[in-house]
Amino acid sequence: AQRVTQPEKLLSVFKGAPVELKCNYSYSGSPELFWYVQYSRQRLQLLLRHISRESIKGFTADLNKGETSFHLKKPFAQEEDSAMYYCALSGQGAQKLVFGQGTRLTINP
Amino acid sequence: DTGVSQDPRHKITKRGQNVTFRCDPISEHNRLYWYRQTLGQGPEFLTYFQNEAQLEKSRLLSDRFSAERPKGSFSTLEIQRTEQGDSAMYLCASSPHPLSYEQYFGPGTRLTVT
Repeated sequence: AQRVTQPEKLLSVFKGAPVELKCNYSYSGSPELFWYVQYSRQRLQLLLRHISRESIKGFTADLNKGETSFHLKKPFAQEEDSAMYYCALSGQGAQKLVFGQGTRLTINP
Repeated sequence: DTGVSQDPRHKITKRGQNVTFRCDPISEHNRLYWYRQTLGQGPEFLTYFQNEAQLEKSRLLSDRFSAERPKGSFSTLEIQRTEQGDSAMYLCASSPHPLSYEQYFGPGTRLTVT
């Protein structure tokens, strides 16, 4: 079965502090992993995907197959990073996304 | 606005009534997905289309739910005999082709069943 777990529903850090949003997954094959973000009053949008290995808005995420994790990191949080973050998994064939329950990140000034 | 659009944005209905939602994907996007999101949860997959063909349905999609994409463009999601448990945000997403992993989401339709 495909499953994504985000253990923290809420995460609050101060501006300038490092941020790490945790994501663990369960999938028997080779998954595609994503982070989607939803800013206040905006629609859900893709932040980054593991296969592209790029940094978006200062965020990076590394797929650790041994630990089945795909944690999202940013070294210095900014107030505009406050949003709802969802980790998602897709099986081979670019079909449905399986989402975690999300982490609400709040950056305090 | 060339993004995914959904109509209506909000719907309040009484238990037992039928409702229909519409999704217009980004032009020429082949794949169209429906998800449902309840409070405090991430979106849950309901069904998806490749052009007009419905390729997968979740077990969440009971026989009261039906989705169509008749001409491979817009899609409708109908819920018959609504129940209070159907109250949720219904999200539509599209992607440009089968090998594209990125899904572009609409603003959602919030359904409240009283």
